[in-house]
Amino acid sequence: DAGITQSPRHKVTETGTPVTLRCHQTENHRYMYWYRQDPGHGLRLIHYSYGVKDTDKGEVSDGYSVSRSKTEDFLLTLESATSSQTSVYFCAIIPGTGGGEAFFGQGTRLTVV
Amino acid sequence: AQSVTQLGSHVSVSEGALVLLRCNYSSSVPPYLFWYVQYPNQGLQLLLKYTTGATLVKGINGFEAEFKKSETSFHLTKPSAHMSDAAEYFCAVLHATGRRALTFGSGTRLQVQP
Repeated sequence: DAGITQSPRHKVTETGTPVTLRCHQTENHRYMYWYRQDPGHGLRLIHYSYGVKDTDKGEVSDGYSVSRSKTEDFLLTLESATSSQTSVYFCAIIPGTGGGEAFFGQGTRLTVV
Repeated sequence: AQSVTQLGSHVSVSEGALVLLRCNYSSSVPPYLFWYVQYPNQGLQLLLKYTTGATLVKGINGFEAEFKKSETSFHLTKPSAHMSDAAEYFCAVLHATGRRALTFGSGTRLQVQP
């Protein structure tokens, strides 16, 4: 257990509203990630962070922004939610040691209506 | 760019039969390779990984995978399926240089018939 907590676990929101998802870790790992999971697509990388205030885009970053002001928290914001952003969102960390294994949070199921 | 292809979005086997889930990758450098399993409404759990050394790696729950560089493959096998193996399985490759992030295949849902 890598001590990863995602909040909220479930959310329903309306099109056009901003939404922020939170990922919290307790073990001070440097690398943190946000993925979305959709049927037929597996997990796709949205954004990742390699340190406080250091973030970069993944393959599906349009419409999303992130922030990391503290080592333990990595926030994902949907600026103006659309129905295409209905998905399950997973936060992950990869420790600096251990051969690259990723540890995942339990996921956030987001529905945009 | 690295990519992962999983052949077969759904695989169905009988209980006790061989499980074979296929994964091919593309990578310009020697990769780190992973198989993850996801049970319904849960997060992902590591089954096994290949980094360096022995090309046949064993994981949890009786699964194993073999790294074949010449075939750019990392297929997952289990000699005898159990009902509890029903889940979705994901193959992934880690960018060993540059962006340190996992790239996933599209997943294979395994059904086990009694």
